[in-house]
Amino acid sequence: SAVISQKPSRDICQRGTSLTIQCQVDSQVTMMFWYRQQPGQSLTLIATANQGSEATYESGFVIDKFPISRPNLTFSTLTVSNMSPEDSSIYLCSAPGLGSYNEQFFGPGTRLTVL
Amino acid sequence: DAKTTQPPSMDCAEGRAANLPCNHSTISGNEYVYWYRQIHSQGPQYIIHGLKNNETNEMASLIITEDRKSSTLILPHATLRDTAVYYCIASTDSWGKLQFGAGTQVVVTP
Repeated sequence: SAVISQKPSRDICQRGTSLTIQCQVDSQVTMMFWYRQQPGQSLTLIATANQGSEATYESGFVIDKFPISRPNLTFSTLTVSNMSPEDSSIYLCSAPGLGSYNEQFFGPGTRLTVL
Repeated sequence: DAKTTQPPSMDCAEGRAANLPCNHSTISGNEYVYWYRQIHSQGPQYIIHGLKNNETNEMASLIITEDRKSSTLILPHATLRDTAVYYCIASTDSWGKLQFGAGTQVVVTP
């Protein structure tokens, strides 16, 4: 298994500002993933964070808006830049368990409200 | 990855088996079927996955049809804590990337 923590758990931000969300895994993993869950919706994959290389973004998401860092094998950050109310969502990270990529473990999420 | 289709909602009586269907008619031969669930205000939780054969673990059973065009997740004895949104995902990604659909909202009632 893997234990994943996220900070902050929630935040209320003003439009035009940026927020950096942290994701910590209790084991070393090659890949980490960031998702967005808009109110009442399913999860949408934002990007794959691979240690030692640039993040790979899904269609509709760009690095300028969602810059990602992956400084080591247990940690990643997602920044939501120049926020607008449409960015109000839950942001989740995930990582695989030890020995298998078939089982992904998710963090508890960061609930972001943009005013 | 193949698109999956699930009913938007289902009700289930506590203590009874819950059978959750999923259609994946365009699934390719190397795509696995994954099931996750998301209890309100929590991150998704892995349940089970399979390729061709039926699978069982401590949480559930996964029945995949012979042509692999559909599958059923079975929760053998539903409890109130099984109330959640259940997601069926077809994926070939070997690194664990998941594309979530709309899922099925399952409500277990006493």
